[in-house]
Amino acid sequence: EVQLVESGGGLVQPGGSLRLSCAASGFTFSSYWMSWVRQAPGKGLEWVANIKQDGSEKYYVDSVKGRFTISRDNAKNSLYLQMNSLRAEDTAVYYCARDDRYFDWLLDYWGQGTLVTVSS
Amino acid sequence: DIQMTQSPSSLSASVGDRVTITCRASQGIRNDLGWYQQKPGKAPKRLIYAASSLQSGVPSRFSGSGSGTEFTLTISSLQPEDFATYYCLQHNSYPPVFGPGTKVDIK
Repeated sequence: EVQLVESGGGLVQPGGSLRLSCAASGFTFSSYWMSWVRQAPGKGLEWVANIKQDGSEKYYVDSVKGRFTISRDNAKNSLYLQMNSLRAEDTAVYYCARDDRYFDWLLDYWGQGTLVTVSS
Repeated sequence: DIQMTQSPSSLSASVGDRVTITCRASQGIRNDLGWYQQKPGKAPKRLIYAASSLQSGVPSRFSGSGSGTEFTLTISSLQPEDFATYYCLQHNSYPPVFGPGTKVDIK
């Protein structure tokens, strides 16, 4: 069974940093692109970033470019999102998601999410 | 970026009703569209991929159709567990973009 478990969320001041983690199990982590998706309170879904199997390619939505960094450790079956220069508008539940093996940019399985609140 | 719209934004329906949700893309995306269901406080769950392919384990009352710029998700006979918010996702090109969602609640 595919399992994705996020951690690392919390309350942070504007301009601060936070690192999210996602522990994957139930599949061969190193064979899949992986993504982060976020959802602001009461709002819709927004794709944030993804990373290739070996970490050699990374893509970001424009609103986080230069501030967020996605990375992975295949030996630990883990995905990360380093978030710097955080803004109030980054407040959201952040989901770790697995990219579909056969279709680019399509997501299949999701974790339960971790809440990031940016506020003074 | 490709823009996605959904209609309606919300609807009220009764158990047993046939429900149809429409998703439109600002430009052609072939059949590169997925549909997701999200219940309050839960992660999204994929229902449909490639516009019309049913995800394994998803009940057959869910179906998808369309290609190009217009797509539909149909629930043939609404069940109590189907009350949720539904999102489409275009995955034809970077960046992948979700529709704004359609909330289905109880009439």
